[in-house]
Amino acid sequence: DAMVIQNPRYQVTQFGKPVTLSCSQTLNHNVMYWYQQKSSQAPKLLFHYYDKDFNNEADTPDNFQSRRPNTSFCFLDIRSPGLGDAAMYLCATRHRTEKLFFGSGTQLSVL
Amino acid sequence: AQSVTQLDSQVPVFEEAPVELRCNYSSSVSVYLFWYVQYPNQGLQLLLKYLSGSTLVESINGFEAEFNKSQTSFHLRKPSVHISDTAEYFCAVSEGGSEKLVFGKGTKLTVNP
Repeated sequence: DAMVIQNPRYQVTQFGKPVTLSCSQTLNHNVMYWYQQKSSQAPKLLFHYYDKDFNNEADTPDNFQSRRPNTSFCFLDIRSPGLGDAAMYLCATRHRTEKLFFGSGTQLSVL
Repeated sequence: AQSVTQLDSQVPVFEEAPVELRCNYSSSVSVYLFWYVQYPNQGLQLLLKYLSGSTLVESINGFEAEFNKSQTSFHLRKPSVHISDTAEYFCAVSEGGSEKLVFGKGTKLTVNP
């Protein structure tokens, strides 16, 4: 059974059109992460939540925002997607242990 | 700040051959080290981790990695690979107590018959 669920699996958007990616978890973990993974590159941390505390990476563009309305859900909002934002977006969770649980990712295409 | 270097972007090997995937890290404090595996069209899965104690850690499917503090390395090895081991492998590090996990660029392991 999937424990970290990302929807949709593939997302296509237009240049400049806002898009939201979603992540939900059934693990009741208190930490949730969003990573961006471009082809042949390392997953890059965008931001993470420790409970409701939002932690933004210094080099994450302002174009990227996140919401965590409750423990189970976390959203990634891209306000004005550019061609360079096409990537796999990975959601992950963690709770007290050092192991991260990853979702299957959302592959974002920008036309 | 910590960083991770995986020198080999691609490693092709034949089935039943041994393999080593290299990982070096840089950090000024104690670290936790991880290897994650990513199969096509899937998320990352934890393969093994080093937190403390024995420097040699093993996974259930025959992989092992050894933490070498003096060389700041955490290379992944398997004495005999299977075709099903074909995947991308990511080394990752977090500084002790930190919530942040930093990944290397990954190594694509291709096992050929």
